[in-house]
Amino acid sequence: SQQGEEDPQALSIQEGENATMNCSYKTSINNLQWYRQNSGRGLVHLILIRSNEREKHSGRLRVTLDTSKKSSSLLITASRAADTASYFCATDAGYSTLTFGKGTMLLVSP
Amino acid sequence: DSGVTQTPKHLITATGQRVTLRCSPRSGDLSVYWYQQSLDQGLQFLIQYYNGEERAKGNILERFSAQQFPDLHSELNLSSLELGDSALYFCASSADVQGIEAFFGQGTRLTVV
Repeated sequence: SQQGEEDPQALSIQEGENATMNCSYKTSINNLQWYRQNSGRGLVHLILIRSNEREKHSGRLRVTLDTSKKSSSLLITASRAADTASYFCATDAGYSTLTFGKGTMLLVSP
Repeated sequence: DSGVTQTPKHLITATGQRVTLRCSPRSGDLSVYWYQQSLDQGLQFLIQYYNGEERAKGNILERFSAQQFPDLHSELNLSSLELGDSALYFCASSADVQGIEAFFGQGTRLTVV
C-alpha cells in the first residue's frame, strides 16, 4: 500500500492561478519530499521539508507540513503551462526509505 | 539530465521471457532504488540497494530480482514475464540511505506481448 496519498487526483486550472495539492501519510516521518513528473519521464525533485519544519519556500513553490495531521500541501503560485505535470509526495517511512503516493495530475491551460 | 542512466529505453518482449534492465547511478551515489510505474498501480517501490547491500524491499515479485555491483551500477532482472509486467521501470539514486533528493533516470518502458 502507498504511504502517501495525494489529493486531488487531478486538477485543471488556468495560467496565472494558484494550484494546491495535498498529501496525507500514515506513519511518522523524518522528512517529506515533493517530486514532479512530466509525462512518461523520470521524476524530478522539487523540495524537501523536514519533520521539524512547518513551511518552506522555493521560488513559486510553497510547502507546508502538519505532522499532527500527517499531511502536507504543495502550493504552486502563478502557474504556467509548463507546470503541467504529475506531482508526487514521497516520505521516508514505511517499508521503503522513499515511498511515493499515486500523484496529482495538474493541467495548466494557457 | 539527472546523471542517472537507464538502458534500454524501450523493450518489447514476449510472455515467458526474461529481461535485464540496467541502471548507472549518479556519480558518487551509493543508494539505488527500483520502481515500477503502471497506470493502475501508480509508482510502486520494488527494491533498494545501498553500497552493494539490499536495504529495503517493497512489492517486488519473486520472479523479479536485482543486484548492485561493486561499481555501484544495478540490474533488475525480470523473468517469466507476463502481460501485466508491462510498465515503466525507473531507477533512482541518492547519496544517502534515506533517499533525500533522489535523482531519477528516464526509465525503461517494457512491453510484454
